[in-house]
Amino acid sequence: NAGVMQNPRHLVRRRGQEARLRCSPMKGHSHVYWYRQLPEEGLKFMVYLQKENIIDESGMPKERFSAEFPKEGPSILRIQQVVRGDSAAYFCASSPQSRDEKLFFGSGTQLSVL
Amino acid sequence: AQSVTQLDSQVPVFEEAPVELRCNYSSSVSVYLFWYVQYPNQGLQLLLKYLSGSTLVESINGFEAEFNKSQTSFHLRKPSVHISDTAEYFCAVSYSGGYQKVTFGTGTKLQVIP
Repeated sequence: NAGVMQNPRHLVRRRGQEARLRCSPMKGHSHVYWYRQLPEEGLKFMVYLQKENIIDESGMPKERFSAEFPKEGPSILRIQQVVRGDSAAYFCASSPQSRDEKLFFGSGTQLSVL
Repeated sequence: AQSVTQLDSQVPVFEEAPVELRCNYSSSVSVYLFWYVQYPNQGLQLLLKYLSGSTLVESINGFEAEFNKSQTSFHLRKPSVHISDTAEYFCAVSYSGGYQKVTFGTGTKLQVIP
């Protein structure tokens, strides 16, 4: 049973470009969470999604960031018009039916903005 | 806002020696505490958790952590480390009662020296 898959592992973008980060949860998991780790900081919660629904986006920046988890396919974290401050490691986690289940993390995507 | 402090960014220790990784959190009425471990090139994995009950919690690989409410600490200990324990350890806290909206510390890299 494959774990949580994130791609790409490394993503380089120039300022103003768009970044799309993908997360495929573990098989049978319908809950996805995104976290961001800025340099020298801990992971911070961004958004919690179930299939086709955003449940909690209280940790998402108000502008330029969006997330989706469609009925088919991976969850996508999208960052428009990236700036240098967006450079960070972005981690995805998934859990099965209940929101109180243990989280399973992916290996992360390292975004570098030039 | 909730916060977690891991003062030690790196801890080198000789094999078979004891180790303690420190974690302090900002106080709250109701708190849930976690330790996650990240092995090289892998995602975070839940190591152990405190939700309620006994203040001493243990993992299957010999780690233990004690919830100390008066000192707002949740230090991780192991009496005898192994080479395979080399990893980065993250302390995390949640005040919502759920697993997903956890706040992570900046991590401690444990390096076990043969």
